[in-house]
Amino acid sequence: NAGVMQNPRHLVRRRGQEARLRCSPMKGHSHVYWYRQLPEEGLKFMVYLQKENIIDESGMPKERFSAEFPKEGPSILRIQQVVRGDSAAYFCASSPGGATDTQYFGPGTRLTVL
Amino acid sequence: GESVGLHLPTLSVQEGDNSIINCAYSNSASDYFIWYKQESGKGPQFIIDIRSNMDKRQGQRVTVLLNKTVKHLSLQIAATQPGDSAVYFCAENTGTASKLTFGTGTRLQVTL
Repeated sequence: NAGVMQNPRHLVRRRGQEARLRCSPMKGHSHVYWYRQLPEEGLKFMVYLQKENIIDESGMPKERFSAEFPKEGPSILRIQQVVRGDSAAYFCASSPGGATDTQYFGPGTRLTVL
Repeated sequence: GESVGLHLPTLSVQEGDNSIINCAYSNSASDYFIWYKQESGKGPQFIIDIRSNMDKRQGQRVTVLLNKTVKHLSLQIAATQPGDSAVYFCAENTGTASKLTFGTGTRLQVTL
C-alpha cells in the first residue's frame, strides 16, 4: 500500500534553469495538492488539482510556476528560470476527495538553487 | 488576516510525561482541524483530526481538544516517548476550500 510518492527527493539547479517536481498520489486518490515549506516555517498552500483540472491556484506565484495533473501519469510542478528564493521543500499531498477529506503527504522534494 | 498560529515554538518534556501542544486559529469559518507530525527531512504525517461539531477526539495516546468559543485547539500526547520528538503542526480547513492553512509549528523535544 504505497503512500504518496515524490521524486526527485533532492534537486539542485542553477539560477535560470528549470525545475520539474513529480508527485504520484496514493492509489485511489484523485485530488492532489502542492505546498511549499521554507526552513523553520509551516507549509504554504500553492495549488490544488484534480485529473486534468486546476481547481485552486490561489497560492501559486503568477509567473514562472505552473502545475498539471494529466489523465495519465504523475502531477508535475514546474518552476521556470529558478531563483535563489525558490529554494525550499515542496510537498505534495493527495486525498480521495476534496473539501475535508484527509490529505496525506509525500516525503517532499528539497530544491536548492545555486 | 486569517491565520493559524501556535503559542510556543519549542516544548521540552521528560520521557513518560504528558505533552500539550496548543494552537490558536482566527478564522471562525474553519470547520475541520488536523494535527500533523513532521520529523526532520520527512513529510508531514497525519496524527488526528477533528471536525467542528465535536470538542474532543481520542486516538492512540493522543487527544485533540477543540474550543470554538475561544478558537483554540490542543494536542495532548500521553506518556511521551523519544519517538514523539518532532515538529507538530496544526492545520485548518474551511470545508468549502480544500486547501489547508498551517501554523508555524511547535518543536517537541523529549528528554530522557
